[in-house]
This record gives sequence, C-alpha cells and structure tokens, in this order.
Amino acid sequence: ETGVTQSPTHLIKTRGQQVTLRCSSQSGHNTVSWYQQALGQGPQFIFQYYREEENGRGNFPPRFSGLQFPNYSSELNVNALELDDSALYLCASSFPGNQETQYFGPGTRLLVL
Amino acid sequence: AQSVTQPDIHITVSEGASLELRCNYSYGATPYLFWYVQSPGQGLQLLLKYFSGDTLVQGIKGFEAEFKRSQSSFNLRKPSVHWSDAAEYFCAVGAPNDYKLSFGAGTTVTVRA
Repeated sequence: ETGVTQSPTHLIKTRGQQVTLRCSSQSGHNTVSWYQQALGQGPQFIFQYYREEENGRGNFPPRFSGLQFPNYSSELNVNALELDDSALYLCASSFPGNQETQYFGPGTRLLVL
Repeated sequence: AQSVTQPDIHITVSEGASLELRCNYSYGATPYLFWYVQSPGQGLQLLLKYFSGDTLVQGIKGFEAEFKRSQSSFNLRKPSVHWSDAAEYFCAVGAPNDYKLSFGAGTTVTVRA
C-alpha cells in the first residue's frame, strides 16, 4: 500500500505568480483535503474534495482552488501569490466510510518572494 | 465551531523520562480527537485517535492518550521517552460528518541525553 505523495517538495515563486501543487492519494482513498501550515503554526484547513467535487472549504479566498481527478489524485492551485502564502502545503486522504481519519503526505514547501 | 488549545509551546524532557502533552478542545458534542507528530521537514504522522468508547486509547510508538469529557482534554502520554521522540506534536479535533480537522498550534518536544 502506497502512502500519500506530493510534488514538488520545494518551490520558489514570485509575488503575483500562479502555482499548482499536486497530490497522489493513498491507494483506496477517495477523499482528499488540503491544509496550509505557516511557520510555527498548526495546519489550517483549505478545502476538501470528495468524488471530484468540493466538499467543504475553510477561510481561504477564491484564488485558492482545487481539482480532484477520477484516479483520486488532486491539485491545489493558487493564483496571484502573496508573500503570506509562503507555507508548507499538506495534502491528506481518507478511506471511504472513514473520512474523519486523515493520512498526510510530506508536504510541499512554497516560498513566495 | 471546534477549536484546540495546546498550552505548552515547548517541552524539554530527559531521555527515559515520562512525557505528557496537554490538549484542550472546544466543541459542543462528542468530538473526534487526534494526535499527530511531525518531524522536522516532514508531514504529519497519525499517532492515535479517539472517536468513542474506552477513554484511554493506545497508539503507535508507545503513546497513549486519555479523553476526559469533564475537562475537555485529550492529553498525550508516553512512559519513557526516546531521543527519536523529539518532534512537534499536534492535537486536532474533528466532528462527525464534518471532515475538516482543526489543529492546535503544536508543542515542540526536545529530548536531552
């Protein structure tokens, strides 16, 4: 059984640019969630996808958007990057019928200059 | 809305000594509670979870946690700490049919020889 994987591991962007982060869910998982973890803080919920539709969203602006694909892989897109978007972005997936238990990937560290 | 408080920002413990990390939650009903560990530069690993039933739950790596409804607490314990336990620990709360996890700010554990 493979775990949750994310790519890239690190990324440097400039303010105003756009970025796409990718996540491959653990085998058999059909729900994926994205979290933002700023330095020295706990993760903050961005949104969740279930069966390719957004299933819930945290307090993040619309320039944060996502996609889930039929193979349950997922993307997080952030437009018009701001300096405060610099953070570790974590993807988590869950089993059908046990969506409350989330398994996290290693994260993508984004630095916005 | 649910929330989590981890009162201790940083704890230093000697190798072989016991460890207790505090977690207090706010939620109107019985919450789903989790402890995750994050090693430097890594994602989150699930240590243990509580949904219902026995209030003392066992997890991986020799950790256990006790749910106390009267104190709105879910403290994590380990009888004898190993140097490899040095990491950041996050308590999280979820709710039935609400797949968002709300995390505390984390407690950093340093293990001294």
